[in-house]
Amino acid sequence: AQSVTQLDSQVPVFEEAPVELRCNYSSSVSVYLFWYVQYPNQGLQLLLKYLSGSTLVKSINGFEAEFNKSQTSFHLRKPSVHISDTAEYFCAVTRIDSNYQLIWGAGTKLIIKP
Amino acid sequence: DAGVIQSPRHEVTEMGQEVTLRCKPISGHDYLFWYRQTMMRGLELLIYFNNNVPIDDSGMPEDRFSAKMPNASFSTLKIQPSEPRDSAVYFCASRTGTKNTEAFFGQGTRLTVV
Repeated sequence: AQSVTQLDSQVPVFEEAPVELRCNYSSSVSVYLFWYVQYPNQGLQLLLKYLSGSTLVKSINGFEAEFNKSQTSFHLRKPSVHISDTAEYFCAVTRIDSNYQLIWGAGTKLIIKP
Repeated sequence: DAGVIQSPRHEVTEMGQEVTLRCKPISGHDYLFWYRQTMMRGLELLIYFNNNVPIDDSGMPEDRFSAKMPNASFSTLKIQPSEPRDSAVYFCASRTGTKNTEAFFGQGTRLTVV
């Protein structure tokens, strides 16, 4: 079975500061990895995903995540956050062999302090 | 495509009443998921369908909950009778059958049972 751990329920940072949101997973088989973002009163939307190839993946709004197989991690980073990044961020995995179900982390609320 | 469409966006009902939540997935998507999100329990998968057939309903909390997908463009989640502890945001999501594609979420239905 797979599991996803997001250790930080909330991460407060000052505007323009860097941020890292941590995600660790457990799986006996290879997985695809996803980060979703949920803005206040909205549904979840895909931020970025790792399928294969380069372990560093980037989103259009400056976020990036690096897949580290040895540490089973997929941490999300941004070098300089903006107030508009205030949201909850969810890490998720799905098996690459057959199971189409997404396994979700508990989410991390990113709180931007002015 | 307009994305995944859920209705209503907000629902307030009295305890004991029947509640029906509706979802129109993205055309061409083979998978449909119903999630529930609460502060206490986070994001929970209730049930998912593949080609209109329920595959895994192990997340449905009680017999009071039922879900149907009569055709590829419509699904319902019904709660009968509703209870205050059912208050949550319910999301519908859909995806294609290709393994490495993401799920697309609707805006959610905020249910309040008083």
